[in-house]
Formats: sequence, structure tokens, C-alpha cells
Amino acid sequence: GQNIDQPTEMTATEGAIVQINCTYQTSGFNGLFWYQQHAGEAPTFLSYNVLDGLEEKGRFSSFLSRSKGYSYLLLKELQMKDSASYLCAVSDSNYQLIWGAGTKLIIKP
Amino acid sequence: ETGVTQTPRHLVMGMTNKKSLKCEQHLGHNAMYWYKQSAKKPLELMFVYSLEERVENNSVPSRFSPECPNSSHLFLHLHTLQPEDSALYLCASSQNWGRGGHEQFFGPGTRLTVL
Repeated sequence: GQNIDQPTEMTATEGAIVQINCTYQTSGFNGLFWYQQHAGEAPTFLSYNVLDGLEEKGRFSSFLSRSKGYSYLLLKELQMKDSASYLCAVSDSNYQLIWGAGTKLIIKP
Repeated sequence: ETGVTQTPRHLVMGMTNKKSLKCEQHLGHNAMYWYKQSAKKPLELMFVYSLEERVENNSVPSRFSPECPNSSHLFLHLHTLQPEDSALYLCASSQNWGRGGHEQFFGPGTRLTVL
């Protein structure tokens, strides 16, 4: 079967760095997405990786290793507004998105 | 504001009621999606429409009935629901279906409670 694993919850301190991991087993691979979802709001797109390596976008970076079935989202200089759930999703061989259950990130002052 | 709107934002209904959820996208996209989001579970894809044709129906009970009258509007008709259907129902759209790299844009969702 297809499976996406990510930690259920993480806690970090304002101003610090946090890394949210995602491992996947899917039938085929056509890219990996990260989304941010604040409580009661719509998920919003953060990043897309289809080739191995690191993609940097301001305070957020996303890394992909296709051979290991592994990705991480790195958040730097954490702010209170970064408290949210972070969803990992893989596009499979049929371009259907397979979603993880999300990682709830709690930022403490 | 993602360019995808959903109404109503909250809905409480009895098991014998009939109601409809509405989604509208203002992005000129060709694909639209219905997802179910339950607490601490992955998003579940329910239906996909591409150019107003249904292309995916992931074993969803017949008490959920989608309708896509045009590429900008998507409905989810609900009837004789069960309490376990209580969840957040999210609508999304993307430029195309069946191609890589196209991010999906989500609406704010309808929080559904079935009594």
C-alpha cells in the first residue's frame, strides 16, 4: 500500500530552527509537496520538490532524497505565526496526491 | 485568500436531512477536487473533476453526490449522512489534472456535523 509518515506533533522555541521529516512509500513518484494549514483555515502551498536536493524559499527550505523516500521541511527563525500543521503529500504514478496526516508544530515564546 | 471559496463554512444536519456544499474557484483552473479531512487523519480524496468530467471517485458512499456544472463551480450533495461523516470538507482546484508539479489551491472548508 501507499504510505506517508510524519511526526504527529513537534514543539520548538521562537527564533529557533525546526526540521519536520516525511518518509514515503508510494507507487511511483511525481513530486512531493509541503503545505501549511493554520487551525480552521485552508491548507496553503509551501514547496514542491521533484529532484533530489534542497530548495530554499526565504525562511523555509525543503529537501528531497528520492532513493531514501525521504523529505524534510526546515523552518528557520521561527515566529509565533508559524504555529500550524504541516502536511506532506506525494504525487504518485497517476498524479494523485497521497497525503500524510500532518505535523502539528507548536511554537513557544 | 486562495481564490477558492466555499459555503457554508459550518453546517449541522440531522441524518435524514438533505444539504449541499458549494465551491467556487476564481483562478481559471481546469481541475477541482473534494477532500474529507478528519482529525489526525490524512486528507481523503473523494472526487476529482477535470474539465467538468468526473475522473476519480475513490470508493465514496452514494450518500455523497458531486456535481460540476461548469469549470468554476463544484457541489457536494449530501443525504442520509451518518455521524461518522462529521468532518471538514475541503474543496481544491489546480491548473490541470494528471500532470506533475501543479499545486492545489484549497478553500477554507465546510465544517460538517451530523447529529
